[in-house]
Amino acid sequence: GQSLEQPSEVTAVEGAIVQINCTYQTSGFYGLSWYQQHDGGAPTFLSYNALDGLEETGRFSSFLSRSDSYGYLLLQELQMKDSASYFCAVRDSTGGFKTIFGAGTRLFVKA
Amino acid sequence: GAVVSQHPSWVICKSGTSVKIECRSLDFQATTMFWYRQFPKQSLMLMATSNEGSKATYEQGVEKDKFLINHASLTLSTLTVTSAHPEDSSFYICSASGGGGEQFFGPGTRLTVL
Repeated sequence: GQSLEQPSEVTAVEGAIVQINCTYQTSGFYGLSWYQQHDGGAPTFLSYNALDGLEETGRFSSFLSRSDSYGYLLLQELQMKDSASYFCAVRDSTGGFKTIFGAGTRLFVKA
Repeated sequence: GAVVSQHPSWVICKSGTSVKIECRSLDFQATTMFWYRQFPKQSLMLMATSNEGSKATYEQGVEKDKFLINHASLTLSTLTVTSAHPEDSSFYICSASGGGGEQFFGPGTRLTVL
């Protein structure tokens, strides 16, 4: 089976940097994705790591260490609109590349 | 990027009725589609994986007779919630894959059963 661990809640101030960690266990690891979801909306894709290292996309960066079964999402220059839930998700190669989501981290950005 | 649509975006129905939700890949052929359910303030839970032309594979604990999935074409999958009850009220989200490993999510369907 698969399991993912991420903090349930993080609070930060505008302009700050926040890191959301994710550890995972899966038998057919293919890659780690990050999604953002605002209340009432569908999840939107942020980033994907299949190989070790850091991927940067604007204010957001994502890191993966396959040997440690660990990744993180780094959000820089936080804005109020970044307040949302962030999910790490493992893409599993068994059963047709299904994506299994973590429980999500609720990010609160304060002024 | 690839676009996945869902219809309806929201539905309210009476207890005991059946509800059909459609998931369409608009600009690519989806060999595999996935159905997720999300309760308020919880994560997305994978319900089933469907491949075009074959029976869906359900995750443990998901009743296949209650949640009927049909993937009749490479651009359309449907989820039918049969004899819906209030506990089935949830946010249902589909995603589609063209076979390359990338998954594209639909906007979701909010089901409320009275």
